[in-house]
Amino acid sequence: GESVGLHLPTLSVQEGDNSIINCAYSNSASDYFIWYKQESGKGPQFIIDIRSNMDKRQGQRVTVLLNKTVKHLSLQIAATQPGDSAVYFCAESFDDSWGKFQFGAGTQVVVTP
Amino acid sequence: DTEVTQTPKHLVMGMTNKKSLKCEQHMGHRAMYWYKQKAKKPPELMFVYSYEKLSINESVPSRFSPECPNSSLLNLHLHALQPEDSALYLCASSQQRTSGRNEQFFGPGTRLTVL
Repeated sequence: GESVGLHLPTLSVQEGDNSIINCAYSNSASDYFIWYKQESGKGPQFIIDIRSNMDKRQGQRVTVLLNKTVKHLSLQIAATQPGDSAVYFCAESFDDSWGKFQFGAGTQVVVTP
Repeated sequence: DTEVTQTPKHLVMGMTNKKSLKCEQHMGHRAMYWYKQKAKKPPELMFVYSYEKLSINESVPSRFSPECPNSSLLNLHLHALQPEDSALYLCASSQQRTSGRNEQFFGPGTRLTVL
């Protein structure tokens, strides 16, 4: 969902469970997507990326799925750990040489013991 | 070295002050970016420099003045700011898109408070 005012959508996950974070992107011409993790007081940190010629990409404990038909991106985190608690942003990039990115609203992930 | 550094970490300034934010990277990236981030919001692009030239200005007020002295450094000069300019200012850098990967590497940000 979209953030309203000062409230970020929040996903509460129990430690050890899998997390799924969703993102609806805006531009059907976007062809490169990144998921970022931002911990409190830090800059965004790259997690995983995917190009529009793919529909799935896997990393270490993370998987990104891309559905271009409905302009939807998701990030799956396996066996969620306390260190995964952060705000997660998706970012889309248009066909631009220097990667001008549009960020989604963000999702706060809270991992409970 | 895969790090983007920013100084200072925190800055408090009055509305009549002039100050500068600094950003540095040594990854050989030829694109550098300034973003503004308010609490609980995503980063908003302000400026993009490619090959030390300003390529994108997202209609940013002139009280923010970017400068790219060389391929490793990016500055943001601040003058006559307003309290609503208080935010986290993030710097990022990336390779050229045609290199195959153009993920942006972000610095830790400067937390700016305008009184």
